[in-house]
Amino acid sequence: ETGVTQTPRHLVMGMTNKKSLKCEQHLGHNAMYWYKQSAKKPLELMFVYSLEERVENNSVPSRFSPECPNSSHLFLHLHTLQPEDSALYLCASSQEVGQGGDEQYFGPGTRLTVT
Amino acid sequence: GQNIDQPTEMTATEGAIVQINCTYQTSGFNGLFWYQQHAGEAPTFLSYNVLDGLEEKGRFSSFLSRSKGYSYLLLKELQMKDSASYLCAVMDSNYQLIWGAGTKLIIKP
Repeated sequence: ETGVTQTPRHLVMGMTNKKSLKCEQHLGHNAMYWYKQSAKKPLELMFVYSLEERVENNSVPSRFSPECPNSSHLFLHLHTLQPEDSALYLCASSQEVGQGGDEQYFGPGTRLTVT
Repeated sequence: GQNIDQPTEMTATEGAIVQINCTYQTSGFNGLFWYQQHAGEAPTFLSYNVLDGLEEKGRFSSFLSRSKGYSYLLLKELQMKDSASYLCAVMDSNYQLIWGAGTKLIIKP
């Protein structure tokens, strides 16, 4: 049990669907992250939140929309995705943003398939 | 640009020792992390190096040379459960993690 949970674990959606990914951390951390992991590629940082404020947005297409209602919950809203968006989406948390040595704790991920 | 290089795949024998290398070129340096990721699971933290030298933690050790932009993860007394991907990540001057693509380690009996 990592302390970071994600739902759903698997999601298949059509290109016209709207769906949301949910992440919850039970560690009392102030920072939360969304990553995209594609096969044989480095983890791509998508969004960073610090105490519910977005502090980083790495040129992610607008069809991905994050939401952080409080420091324990993070959502990724998906709309009109493309097949190349199929990947493993990982949520992570850490004590703070911008702190050396601050390890990140990952959730198990949502395996997304866009048809 | 920023870049992390590590081998795509390695194979080793149960009970043996394996060294996974990682070289990096980043804008600044605030430490290097190693994570382990079993197939279909979350990455889990293994080690953090910010100063040159070797950090030992049980069967796993991690080494850093900042002047060479180089690190390695050393796994001793390999067990079948060590079959996983090993991810190297560097924290840059903005405290953002830059990730390598991971090294898939296959352990054979």
